Amino acid sequence: EVQLVESGGGLVQPGGSLRLSCEASGFTFSTYWMSWVRQAPGKGLEWVANIKYEGSEKNYVDSVRGRFTISRDDAKNSLYLQLNSLRVEDTAVYHCAKGGHLDSWGQGTLVTVSS
Amino acid sequence: DIQMTQSPSSLSASVGDRVTITCRASQGIGNDLGWFQQKPGKAPKRLIYAASTLQGGVPSRFSGSASGTEFTLTISSLQPEDFATYYCLQHNTYPYTFGQGTKLEIK
Repeated sequence: EVQLVESGGGLVQPGGSLRLSCEASGFTFSTYWMSWVRQAPGKGLEWVANIKYEGSEKNYVDSVRGRFTISRDDAKNSLYLQLNSLRVEDTAVYHCAKGGHLDSWGQGTLVTVSS
Repeated sequence: DIQMTQSPSSLSASVGDRVTITCRASQGIGNDLGWFQQKPGKAPKRLIYAASTLQGGVPSRFSGSASGTEFTLTISSLQPEDFATYYCLQHNTYPYTFGQGTKLEIK
């Protein structure tokens, strides 16, 4: 059974940083693209970024490019999202998802950006 | 960016009803479209991929179809557990984009 467990969310001031983690199990992590998707409170889904197996390709939505960095550690079956220069509008639940086409999702971790 | 225009934004229906939700892409995306179901406080779940292929374990009352840039999710006979919010996602061109969502409520 595929399991994705996110962690690392919390309350941070504007301009601050956080590092989100996603621990994966139940599939061969190193052979899959992995993705991050976020959902602001009461709003719809927004694709944020993805990363190819081996980390050889990374893609971002324009609103986070240059501020967020996606990475992975295949030895630890883990996906990461480094969030820098955070803005109030980055407040959301951040989900990791298996594959480039999001075939399984984790429950998410809440990031709140507020002064 | 490719815009995914999803309609309706909300829908009231009864158990046993047939319902249809539509997403229209602002440009061609082939069949690079998925449908997702999200219940309150839960992670989204993929129902359909490649526009019309049912995800394993998803009931056969769910189906997807495509015609050009118009994509349709149909639930043939609504069950109580189907009341949720539904989203489409295009994964043809970066950035990937979701429709705005359709909230399906009990009439």
